[in-house]
Amino acid sequence: AQKITQTQPGMFVQEKEAVTLDCTYDTSDPSYGLFWYKQPSSGEMIFLIYQGSYDQQNATEGRYSLNFQKARKSANLVISASQLGDSAMYFCAMRGPFSSGSARQLTFGSGTQLTVLP
Amino acid sequence: DGGITQSPKYLFRKEGQNVTLSCEQNLNHDAMYWYRQDPGQGLRLIYYSQIVNDFQKGDIAEGYSVSREKKESFPLTVTSAQKNPTAFYLCASSFPGQGYEQYFGPGTRLTVT
Repeated sequence: AQKITQTQPGMFVQEKEAVTLDCTYDTSDPSYGLFWYKQPSSGEMIFLIYQGSYDQQNATEGRYSLNFQKARKSANLVISASQLGDSAMYFCAMRGPFSSGSARQLTFGSGTQLTVLP
Repeated sequence: DGGITQSPKYLFRKEGQNVTLSCEQNLNHDAMYWYRQDPGQGLRLIYYSQIVNDFQKGDIAEGYSVSREKKESFPLTVTSAQKNPTAFYLCASSFPGQGYEQYFGPGTRLTVT
């Protein structure tokens, strides 16, 4: 079974500073994928970044980067140069191996509420 | 513009009534999903469909039903058997791209009294 743990219910960061949101996962499969989503107060889930378990380099998308530490089973999201519009709920999620039916299913963590202070 | 639409955004029903939530996508994605989100919590999978006329139960399928007659549409019915139907419902779709990332609609907030 897959499990995602986000231990920070809430985080605060000053505008223009960087912030790291923690995510640890548990799986017995060697092949898996990790995702981060942003959920503003409007409710829609916005895909931010993806990391495959066999990817050699950490994923980056603009101001977002994923600090993937496979041995520690962690996949922390780093947001650089925080903006007021980054204030939202952030969810870490995982999918299973491509070879299994669970490849299409995502398991979500409980989320971290990020507040960017002016 | 390609995307996923869910309607309505807010829905109110009396207890004991079935209600159907709409989800339409024009992204040409093959797979579609329904999630439930309760306040302060993550998403839980209700049902998913990888192709037309086929769907599988997720973690919390009891009290819900779905159909997939067209690739673009994946409606969710919340039946009177669902004990706690008040929640935020999100529909998503995906294609076999890099990571099977899922793209979400704006959600429907259902309140049952």
